[in-house]
Amino acid sequence: AQRVTQPEKLLSVFKGAPVELKCNYSYSGSPELFWYVQYSRQRLQLLLRHISRESIKGFTADLNKGETSFHLKKPFAQEEDSAMYYCALSETGGGNKLTFGTGTQLKVEL
Amino acid sequence: DAGVTQSPTHLIKTRGQQVTLRCSPKSGHDTVSWYQQALGQGPQFIFQYYEEEERQRGNFPDRFSGHQFPNYSSELNVNALLLGDSALYLCASSFPSGANVLTFGAGSRLTVL
Repeated sequence: AQRVTQPEKLLSVFKGAPVELKCNYSYSGSPELFWYVQYSRQRLQLLLRHISRESIKGFTADLNKGETSFHLKKPFAQEEDSAMYYCALSETGGGNKLTFGTGTQLKVEL
Repeated sequence: DAGVTQSPTHLIKTRGQQVTLRCSPKSGHDTVSWYQQALGQGPQFIFQYYEEEERQRGNFPDRFSGHQFPNYSSELNVNALLLGDSALYLCASSFPSGANVLTFGAGSRLTVL
């Protein structure tokens, strides 16, 4: 069965510092990977998808099939980046069924 | 567009009771998925409805059942509630081939006493 692991429950960085939120997965097929974000008092929302290969709010994530990782990165953290971040995986042909990690709370301090 | 709407927002039940949660998908979406999010955990897939049928199901017992109506809205029913069913229940809507891009509702917080 597929699994998504986010090893850090809490990540605290200073404003302007680089950010890396770790995500590892286990899946025997070719997965589709996502990062979802939940800001305070807001709904869970899509941040980015690996197949889009786009940068959203300065965040990027590269799928590394060799290391089965999909880490989320941003070169310079901003206060508004403070939120809960979830990595999620969809199986090939998964039909919108996502497997989520346990999430990492990012706190950007001034 | 109000996006995905869920009701009720909060509810309290006792063990053994039954509960029904409701979801209206985002305008234009016709697929509804339900997730359970326990405290400190990520959302866990319960099931998905499309064309009024359950299309996929996660690892949840038969006490969890659902329905989708012709207007694409959906209900989640949980019978014989257990303390462990206390969680935030999230509804998410999408297109059937929406490349797994889900729009989530705010959730229904269920507390079982």
